[in-house]
Amino acid sequence: GQQLNQSPQSMFIQEGEDVSMNCTSSSIFNTWLWYKQDPGEGPVLLIALYKAGELTSNGRLTAQFGITRKDSFLNISASIPSDVGIYFCAGQLRNDMRFGAGTRLTVKP
Amino acid sequence: NAGVTQTPKFRILKIGQSMTLQCTQDMNHNYMYWYRQDPGMGLKLIYYSVGAGITDKGEVPNGYNVSRSTTEDFPLRLELAAPSQTSVYFCASSHTSPRQGWGINIQYFGAGTRLSVL
Repeated sequence: GQQLNQSPQSMFIQEGEDVSMNCTSSSIFNTWLWYKQDPGEGPVLLIALYKAGELTSNGRLTAQFGITRKDSFLNISASIPSDVGIYFCAGQLRNDMRFGAGTRLTVKP
Repeated sequence: NAGVTQTPKFRILKIGQSMTLQCTQDMNHNYMYWYRQDPGMGLKLIYYSVGAGITDKGEVPNGYNVSRSTTEDFPLRLELAAPSQTSVYFCASSHTSPRQGWGINIQYFGAGTRLSVL
């Protein structure tokens, strides 16, 4: 099956710093999604990308759908303490959705 | 705004016991899903349903059963619990909308059920 490689596994940053994480796949997807999971909660959708090359922003978050359809990145600018959590990428092809293993983000005040 | 509701939040089972994880959504979504999340891992799809009366296996269906008698409810059944089923289980729902010829589904997740099998 399609596997997603998400990196880095974890990040420890200072408040105010920018963050970048990415996902790569050996297969193509039609949609890339980025979710955030807070402790004890289910994932919540941050950004959805529908077209190769698409660049989408949501506040301080920016994500891009790679031109090859096999990768995506998420950037967070000027991090704040509430950005703490686990960020998951997900790729969708028809009814099949695969998730990356997550990037655990810690923001030090 | 209830969204996707899962019960119970926590459960401890003995090996060989059975239980049903409940999931209900009030958004009239046609698609529903069950995932498991193991420590340090992403979500893996157990089963999904595209509508009442229709269910399909996902990536890791062994040891589980589902049913979809109504649009709102999608229970997950463990018949003979095993330690390998210790995990956090998430239910999700979505309403697919065609776009560019494909069904794009944005999934909304419940808060999860943390299950330990000892």
